[in-house]
Amino acid sequence: AQKVTQAQTEISVVEKEDVTLDCVYETRDTTYYLFWYKQPPSGELVFLIRRNSFDEQNEISGRYSWNFQKSTSSFNFTITASQVVDSAVYFCALSEVNTDKLIFGTGTRLQVFP
Amino acid sequence: GAGVSQTPSNKVTEKGKYVELRCDPISGHTALYWYRQSLGQGPEFLIYFQGTGAADDSGLPNDRFFAVRPEGSVSTLKIQRTERGDSAVYLCASSSYRGDGANVLTFGAGSRLTVL
Repeated sequence: AQKVTQAQTEISVVEKEDVTLDCVYETRDTTYYLFWYKQPPSGELVFLIRRNSFDEQNEISGRYSWNFQKSTSSFNFTITASQVVDSAVYFCALSEVNTDKLIFGTGTRLQVFP
Repeated sequence: GAGVSQTPSNKVTEKGKYVELRCDPISGHTALYWYRQSLGQGPEFLIYFQGTGAADDSGLPNDRFFAVRPEGSVSTLKIQRTERGDSAVYLCASSSYRGDGANVLTFGAGSRLTVL
């Protein structure tokens, strides 16, 4: 069965610190997709990134970077030089190739203080 | 419309009442999803439509929950005989269908349901 674990319930940092949000997943499939979504206080989930299981290259987008390691079933998310606007709940999610539904983790609440 | 629209944004009802929550997806998106998010939890899948038909309703908790999408666009989630445990934010999302698990979902702001 699919499962996504985000062990960090809440993280607090001071602006300009780097922070890494952990995500560990379980699946029996060899082909699957991993996602990160951001949920700001307004409540609307915002898509950040999608990776397929065959692409283990790390990705960087501005201050955001993602580290996908199949060997440890992890898909971690790092924010460099965090800003107050990064404060939100971040969700990691998994979908398998034969389904069209996302399985979400419980989320990590990130608070960035000025 | 430009985004996924959900109405009402807030609904307070009494235990035992019937509730309808509406979702207007992004124009042209053939796939529509309903999720439920309880406090402090991640979104939990309820049902997924491809066009007018429910392709996967495995997440509906019981037969008090039902959803329709009669014309392949707007969807309504219907909850009968509401219970206090139904209180949650109900999220709707839509996507261009790919069928390979890679769908990027665009979410609405949600309908917060409170059952007293």
